[in-house]
Amino acid sequence: EDKVVQSPLSLVVHEGDTVTLNCSYEVTNFRSLLWYKQEKKAPTFLFMLTSSGIEKKSGRLSSILDKKELFSILNITATQTGDSAIYLCAVNNNAGNMLTFGGGTRLMVKP
Amino acid sequence: DAGVIQSPRHEVTEMGQEVTLRCKPISGHNSLFWYRQTMMRGLELLIYFNNNVPIDDSGMPEDRFSAKMPNASFSTLKIQPSEPRDSAVYFCASSQQGNPLYEQYFGPGTRLTVT
Repeated sequence: EDKVVQSPLSLVVHEGDTVTLNCSYEVTNFRSLLWYKQEKKAPTFLFMLTSSGIEKKSGRLSSILDKKELFSILNITATQTGDSAIYLCAVNNNAGNMLTFGGGTRLMVKP
Repeated sequence: DAGVIQSPRHEVTEMGQEVTLRCKPISGHNSLFWYRQTMMRGLELLIYFNNNVPIDDSGMPEDRFSAKMPNASFSTLKIQPSEPRDSAVYFCASSQQGNPLYEQYFGPGTRLTVT
């Protein structure tokens, strides 16, 4: 059974801080890892990672995958209050389109 | 595109009643997923369809839950009879089927409360 573990469970920082969120996984026939941001409503897609060592970047957010050590990190620099959300990590295997989600990291950014 | 549409957005019902949640995927997407989210268990996949066919329903909690996808633009998740422990937010998501994987787009969710 595929497994995804995220850490920390929750995090409180102040605006301007840099945060690193962690995602480790165990999956048979890994295909990809995805990061989602969930505010008050539905998760919204951030990144998909398939190859080790290649950083994906979008503004202040970036992510990288290590397929040897089976983990990914999501970095947010110069955090803003609008970054407050639950960040979800999910993995996909070659069996199909289904995703296995981790429990999420709840980030709160204080002014 | 309107995105994934779910209805109702909120549902409050009494234990023992039947509940039907509805989903309209994004036009052109041929994979549809039903998830349940609770504080205790996080986001769990219940069932998913490819081309209207159920592929994996191993996440469906028990026989009280059933899902159908009669056509490419509509799916239902039914709980009969409902129980208080079914209270959760139920999300529907859709994507294109393919390799590499296409990301899933989530609907706004249905918040179900069973009293």
